[in-house]
Amino acid sequence: AQSVTQLGSHVSVSEGALVLLRCNYSSSVPPYLFWYVQYPNQGLQLLLKYTSAATLVKGINGFEAEFKKSETSFHLTKPSAHMSDAAEYFCAVTTYSSASKIIFGSGTRLSIRP
Amino acid sequence: EAGVAQSPRYKIIEKRQSVAFWCNPISGHATLYWYQQILGQGPKLLIQFQNNGVVDDSQLPKDRFSAERLKGVDSTLKIQPAKLEDSAMYLCASSLERGESYEQYFGPGTRLTVT
Repeated sequence: AQSVTQLGSHVSVSEGALVLLRCNYSSSVPPYLFWYVQYPNQGLQLLLKYTSAATLVKGINGFEAEFKKSETSFHLTKPSAHMSDAAEYFCAVTTYSSASKIIFGSGTRLSIRP
Repeated sequence: EAGVAQSPRYKIIEKRQSVAFWCNPISGHATLYWYQQILGQGPKLLIQFQNNGVVDDSQLPKDRFSAERLKGVDSTLKIQPAKLEDSAMYLCASSLERGESYEQYFGPGTRLTVT
């Protein structure tokens, strides 16, 4: 069975600072990994996904994530935070054998200080 | 392309009442998911449909929750009777059968409050 762990339920950064949201996964077979963003009282929107191609994945809104098999990590980064980035971020994992069932992490709330 | 539609967006009911949520997936998407998201947690899969058949309902509390997807298009999730702990966001998502690397598209959700 696969799982994800998001380190830090709340991260606060200054506007213009680096954003780093951490995600570690567990999977006995090659995983597919996702980052989703959720704004208050809205559904989830896909930021980016890793599907066994390039290990550095670029997504929307300037976000990117790097798949590191040796560290079982898929951390999300953005060089310069913007006020509009304030939201909840979820890391998620699935595998080919899981019939597209996605397991979500518990989420990290990102706050941006002016 | 229209996204996943859900209604209502908000619902407040008293415990022991019943409630139903509706979802219309993206046109052509064979797979439909219902998730429960309790405040401060990640979404938890309740049920997954492939066309109009159930693929996974292992996390669905079948004594009070039911779901159907007639004709393999839109879907309804029902709770009867509701409990206080059912207060949550209910999210519907859909995906192509397999071709899009499991990318799921989410609707805006229904916020349920049980008093």
